[in-house]
Amino acid sequence: EVQLLESGGGLVQPGGSLRLSCAGSGFTLTTYAISWVRQAPGKGLEWVSSISGSGSSTLYAKSIKGRFTIYRDISKNTVYLQMNSLRAEDTAIYYCAKGDNAIFGVASYYYYMDVWGKGTTVTVSS
Amino acid sequence: YVLTQPPSVSVAPGQTAKIPCGGNSIGTYSVHWYQQKPGQAPVLVVYGDSDRPSGIPERFSGSNSGNTATLTISRVEAGDEADYFCQVWDNTGDPPYVFGTGTRVTVL
Repeated sequence: EVQLLESGGGLVQPGGSLRLSCAGSGFTLTTYAISWVRQAPGKGLEWVSSISGSGSSTLYAKSIKGRFTIYRDISKNTVYLQMNSLRAEDTAIYYCAKGDNAIFGVASYYYYMDVWGKGTTVTVSS
Repeated sequence: YVLTQPPSVSVAPGQTAKIPCGGNSIGTYSVHWYQQKPGQAPVLVVYGDSDRPSGIPERFSGSNSGNTATLTISRVEAGDEADYFCQVWDNTGDPPYVFGTGTRVTVL
């Protein structure tokens, strides 16, 4: 069974850092893109970042570009989201999700997210 | 690219719920739909406008044309009460992954 498990959330002060982890099981990261999607309290879904199956391509939302970095460790089948210079508006549940695509920009994929983790909560507050 | 959904839709058990997702020429995009129950992660219920992942009941269907995509839930059950989000991939857009604003479906 394909599963994703997030960890690493917590309470952090504004300007601080956190590293989120997304551990995959039942599949290998090199086969599919992995995305981070967040949901602020009482709000909708917001795409944050994605990494391709090869790891060579990364995408970032404007709201976090330059502050967050997505990367992976194939040996651990894990994708990470390093979050620096955190702001109050980054407070949210962070989900990782597996895509149907391995790479970006190719018309043969649908670009949906078919497996989601349960999420990890990040609270940025003093 | 912006996807607009009504904040709420109410439906009686056994009836049909239609959830619209509006976007400029959305008919030229492939639309996906997610169901999110309170306190849970989203679940993919429709992809590629009208296909269902394995395990999703046939009561869930989708269509897409012109400026509106629609998720239809037939024979609504109490367990269908949830938030529903549409999503597209905008290959030339920033952001490339775009989610709709979400619709809360209430079963009366």
